Amino acid sequence: IQLTQSPSSLSASVGDRVTITCRASQGIRSYLAWYQQKPGKAPKLLIYATSTLQSGVPSRFTGSGSGTEFTLTISSLQPEDFATYSCQHFDSYPLTFGGGTKVEIK
Amino acid sequence: EMQLLESGGGLVQPGGSLRLSCTASGFIFSSYGMSWVRQAPGRGLEWVSGVSATGGNTNYADSVRGRFTVSRDNSKNTLYLQMNTLRADDTAVYFCAKALYDFWGGRSPLEHWGQGTLVTVSS
Repeated sequence: IQLTQSPSSLSASVGDRVTITCRASQGIRSYLAWYQQKPGKAPKLLIYATSTLQSGVPSRFTGSGSGTEFTLTISSLQPEDFATYSCQHFDSYPLTFGGGTKVEIK
Repeated sequence: EMQLLESGGGLVQPGGSLRLSCTASGFIFSSYGMSWVRQAPGRGLEWVSGVSATGGNTNYADSVRGRFTVSRDNSKNTLYLQMNTLRADDTAVYFCAKALYDFWGGRSPLEHWGQGTLVTVSS
């Protein structure tokens, strides 16, 4: 199963609403997770099972979708949100990740 | 506090071997599946391998199947990745990660990650 993220990068300002899309090559039910990664750091789990917020993650992050199309939305971008975001499916082995979306400061 | 600490990375020649270790603490290691994920310089994340909580079920990415072997020693709270016949495109930071779910044999979101260990394959 291949995951395609779009866009691969975007520029946004603090306070902007940002949406990232992840498309699966076949249906993965609701078995999708989102991660945030900052340079030189390990990824951090943000959302799992499409829309469940991991403990401690701010509510400005939301996930939605089903089947083959999923989105991660940041409702009001904060300075600490500039990072790379990746989706991952866990519908079947092998697990795979999307190519990542780099969110940069405009 | 959950902690995962990878070790064993380094410089190896093409065709060589290396064994990575990941020592876990702060959770019941024997109850959770574990994965290895790698990231080549400037590239995205690539899932490499996973193992179920008991070690009885293992899975691999096509890119490493037949060359890499994942295993675990629950008595030592340690996960391993034996890497053989290494190639230049195996160069990456290798992360170990803990499954969020304690079911489905490790087929899961990855809740907690180590800081990674760098493997460089070069002559």
